[in-house]
Amino acid sequence: GEDVEQSLFLSVREGDSSVINCTYTDSSSTYLYWYKQEPGAGLQLLTYIFSNMDMKQDQRLTVLLNKKDKHLSLRIADTQTGDSAIYFCAEIPPSGGSYIPTFGRGTSLIVHP
Amino acid sequence: NAGVTQTPKFQVLKTGQSMTLQCAQDMNHNSMYWYRQDPGMGLRLIYYSASEGTTDKGEVPNGYNVSRLNKREFSLRLESAAPSQTSVYFCASSDRGTYVAFFGQGTRLTVV
Repeated sequence: GEDVEQSLFLSVREGDSSVINCTYTDSSSTYLYWYKQEPGAGLQLLTYIFSNMDMKQDQRLTVLLNKKDKHLSLRIADTQTGDSAIYFCAEIPPSGGSYIPTFGRGTSLIVHP
Repeated sequence: NAGVTQTPKFQVLKTGQSMTLQCAQDMNHNSMYWYRQDPGMGLRLIYYSASEGTTDKGEVPNGYNVSRLNKREFSLRLESAAPSQTSVYFCASSDRGTYVAFFGQGTRLTVV
């Protein structure tokens, strides 16, 4: 079947903005998520957006949703070295009443001083 | 709150050995999941349990079995470990409102 698509790597300079992109599979997905994974740890929720929203802002994070193109993006303003991690896009495609999180392969964000 | 607790954190097995990975959550979530994470592959669903008493196969169930012991606990068993099962295993649970998934710290398994 189709996969949630993300680029594998992104490298930015400290202080710049980072934009991580994702293409998800199911236009019926009600919730779309960004998770962060730091080295040696499990995934933690960063933010999520309902499908009836176009944008969500939370401090340095901005999520943009384009439902027509099934495109989700995460912008991190003033990126810091502590933001270096793997970022996963996820959706919950409704499937027979089972709401199972489906993840992309993750984007490794590398922040250079 | 402990959240999702997995044991053990690390394990080395010989080919053909068996073991059970334990997972428990204290958030009263109905749904629980087992994923494996391999480099460049993201997270792939092995099995899930939508509620106590039910389990279903995910994308990569071969070589694994699961037990939903009660609402809190969901274990993953490898009956005869193979080198292809070398991976990091994550247990997760989710609520019914926003379906946000909460993850354990992972079990790093090496099969030699």
